[in-house]
Amino acid sequence: QVQLVQSGGEVKKPGASVKVSCEASGYTFTSYGISWVRQAPGLGLEWMGWLSSYNGNTNYAQKFQGRVTMTTDTPTSTAYMELRSLRSDDTAVYYCARIQPNTDAFDLWGQGTMVTVSS
Amino acid sequence: QSALTQPASVSGSPGQSITISCTGTSSNVGSYDLVSWYQQHPGKAPKLMISEGNKRPSGVSNRFSGSKSGNTASLTISGLQAEDEADYYCCSYAGSSTYVFGTGTKVTVL
Repeated sequence: QVQLVQSGGEVKKPGASVKVSCEASGYTFTSYGISWVRQAPGLGLEWMGWLSSYNGNTNYAQKFQGRVTMTTDTPTSTAYMELRSLRSDDTAVYYCARIQPNTDAFDLWGQGTMVTVSS
Repeated sequence: QSALTQPASVSGSPGQSITISCTGTSSNVGSYDLVSWYQQHPGKAPKLMISEGNKRPSGVSNRFSGSKSGNTASLTISGLQAEDEADYYCCSYAGSSTYVFGTGTKVTVL
């Protein structure tokens, strides 16, 4: 079954870090890039960055540069997103999404991981 | 990159057609035929409905269609059905492996 399965919800204090995982199955992991997208409660989708599952290259949205790191572990077909120096406005559902080659569309999504930042 | 501009809400009666606009700039929508559209029901992950401006993935109803003119892309839903009630987001490739989403549109079926 072609799917992306994300890790469970997290509760963090301001200033902490969170690392969310996204395990791919049912397709060749290294053939597709991965993007991370977040959605704050009641708000819209926000693109955070792109990760090449082939060679680990990354490109982050300017807003998150210096605070986010996206990595892959090819043997386990897993992508990771770490966000540091968490603030209350980082409270959101974080999604990983597979990027369809040549069309740059997000054709497969994880189920989402709720990250709550609260003191 | 600023978010692409979408109307906050659009509504229509069952059977009618509605169109959602998505306005960007010459750096994103206007430069690439790589606009995609997503449907999101409450509490669910987004679902790809249109890629490359006007291509429907397998399994997506042909009631959904897309187009583009200049810096504005559009999604049309024909024969509106109750199940189409959801939030819709456009997204454009913006060069150098970067992307930008639209502000989102809530579609209400009256």
